Amino acid sequence: QQPVQSPQAVILREGEDAVINCSSSKALYSVHWYRQKHGEAPVFLMILLKGGEQKGHEKISASFNEKKQQSSLYLTASQLSYSGTYFCGTDETSGSRLTFGEGTQLTVNP
Amino acid sequence: DTGVSQNPRHKITKRGQNVTFRCDPISEHNRLYWYRQTLGQGPEFLTYFQNEAQLEKSRLLSDRFSAERPKGSFSTLEIQRTEQGDSAMYLCASSLWDRGPFFGQGTRLTVV
Repeated sequence: QQPVQSPQAVILREGEDAVINCSSSKALYSVHWYRQKHGEAPVFLMILLKGGEQKGHEKISASFNEKKQQSSLYLTASQLSYSGTYFCGTDETSGSRLTFGEGTQLTVNP
Repeated sequence: DTGVSQNPRHKITKRGQNVTFRCDPISEHNRLYWYRQTLGQGPEFLTYFQNEAQLEKSRLLSDRFSAERPKGSFSTLEIQRTEQGDSAMYLCASSLWDRGPFFGQGTRLTVV
């Protein structure tokens, strides 16, 4: 069953913050976050393993609450280059299939 | 590091024809995945290999689809007797164990 992402779309002005959520009904081993721009391949952002860790990459960070099977992606001081569709992919075992959500379309305007 | 390479980038075929796609993963990666993506949707898992062994195949995958990864290097995905519903972007990805995976640029298939 695919994870549920929210919101479906968000529009920001440059410099604003955003949070994208990913929720699963199943126990998860890991959550993977990707950004995809139109006509391009999904780009790997980060992986979060069960254990509630939080990871960061410049101004993009994420957390994973394994008790709630929820992950959140935090984008701070957004840049124009952050525009795209963000997907979470969930893994119930270890490194096999990822099940992707329907994506969150993020638009950053000047 | 040249990334995951997929060929061809685009393929137009007539319904009923067979098509084959190739994927060259990142060289040190032991896992290779095939996904399919249609417009407005997230990637959908098709199958995955660890080295040369095909370890999992989606139950949604028709018998018309077959994938190989000889010698644990490049992989091919073949679709026999293509149907219009097979039109999609076919994405290959690779990883070193569970770190990633990293996607290639995809092969866009159009069945007419």
